[in-house]
Amino acid sequence: EAQVTQNPRYLITVTGKKLTVTCSQNMNHEYMSWYRQDPGLGLRQIYYSMNVEVTDKGDVPEGYKVSRKEKRNFPLILESPSPNQTSLYFCASSRPGQGNNEQFFGPGTRLTVL
Amino acid sequence: TQLLEQSPQFLSIQEGENLTVYCNSSSVFSSLQWYRQEPGEGPVLLVTVVTGGEVKKLKRLTFQFGDARKDSSLHITAAQPGDTGLYLCAGLLLIQGAQKLVFGQGTRLTINP
Repeated sequence: EAQVTQNPRYLITVTGKKLTVTCSQNMNHEYMSWYRQDPGLGLRQIYYSMNVEVTDKGDVPEGYKVSRKEKRNFPLILESPSPNQTSLYFCASSRPGQGNNEQFFGPGTRLTVL
Repeated sequence: TQLLEQSPQFLSIQEGENLTVYCNSSSVFSSLQWYRQEPGEGPVLLVTVVTGGEVKKLKRLTFQFGDARKDSSLHITAAQPGDTGLYLCAGLLLIQGAQKLVFGQGTRLTINP
């Protein structure tokens, strides 16, 4: 089954404790991205990757890091989480230029930073 | 400021009524997508409109892309409780050769039996 998986689905942590949210897709998509979803703000892009070893900042990259060592994986790293990073996070993948550039989203990770 | 303004942000209506959701921008988009999101899940693509003035229908849902490709609407006829969910519009921009998808704030739709 074609899918994007994220782990963990739920995470409660404390300020300053480094964490990683993993993302994996099995569709051989070149393009992957991370979004955060906050009430009234919709989905905002954090980082994206056009292909392996190619990453770039989205609209709200501060406080986040990513890496793309393999095509299928795109982890999101919070080196020192702060309460304003409490949010619902989505990983997405797509194949730009093919058809309608449909984004395939993971199920989301709800993060709470105390 | 939001590049793609979606309205209304909340809508609660009775089963059988009609409704329209709007997405507006001052930017011209290459295409515009509509997604639906259920609680505990990620958004799922409903439709993509590409040509100015294009109309696409998905059962009781009608999607329209504005002539100038700056706005779009989603019209639901005879809404059903199963239509309840969060609807998101997303416009595709071409910026310096790269594609960028920008999302509206979303419309949380509740259809009451």
